[in-house]
Amino acid sequence: DADVTQTPRNRITKTGKRIMLECSQTKGHDRMYWYRQDPGLGLRLIYYSFDVKDINKGEISDGYSVSRQAQAKFSLSLESAIPNQTALYFCATSLTGQKAGELFFGEGSRLTVL
Amino acid sequence: AQKVTQAQTEISVVEKEDVTLDCVYETRDTTYYLFWYKQPPSGELVFLIRRNSFDEQNEISGRYSWNFQKSTSSFNFTITASQVVDSAVYFCALSEAGTGGFKTIFGAGTRLFVKA
Repeated sequence: DADVTQTPRNRITKTGKRIMLECSQTKGHDRMYWYRQDPGLGLRLIYYSFDVKDINKGEISDGYSVSRQAQAKFSLSLESAIPNQTALYFCATSLTGQKAGELFFGEGSRLTVL
Repeated sequence: AQKVTQAQTEISVVEKEDVTLDCVYETRDTTYYLFWYKQPPSGELVFLIRRNSFDEQNEISGRYSWNFQKSTSSFNFTITASQVVDSAVYFCALSEAGTGGFKTIFGAGTRLFVKA
């Protein structure tokens, strides 16, 4: 089983719908992240979390919210999805200390907003 | 502000050719980390290397090598004797220690095609 699991892997929805992407990890890492990948733009950071009490906005947080329910779970919500949120979304975790910054990614969640 | 630039959008080579992927970064921190990740056609993201700002020693791992030059703010990646399995999108990334190493910023990626 994957160490970082994202659900759903694929989702098609309509404009205005609320969508939640879930991420769970078995790596025991404190830090978790949500990134969005668009062709030609690389990965852009949406939100990141140091621990269950720490939530921080990334480069492109508008239109998104997150919840860190436990050390192992970090959910991304689109309250009212719009077509330009169609993208591939990745959850990631990382260690602290000497290996800080090295990211371990989930398999990605492909979201299409019609 | 941190920034990563990968000027090469796509590169196409023939198998066994050497290829270098360029990465230029911007940061105001004196302590930072640089990374390369690989995204093969299957879509997963695979960590390749991590380098901290105090270690300018070049690194070689099999057919892969990395050249880190602080003077030019570059962290270039060379694949020697490329193979079809090297076809992927490669991302360079930067994480500033001033943010506790929390916030890793990626370049736009370079898509490498290796033809048989």
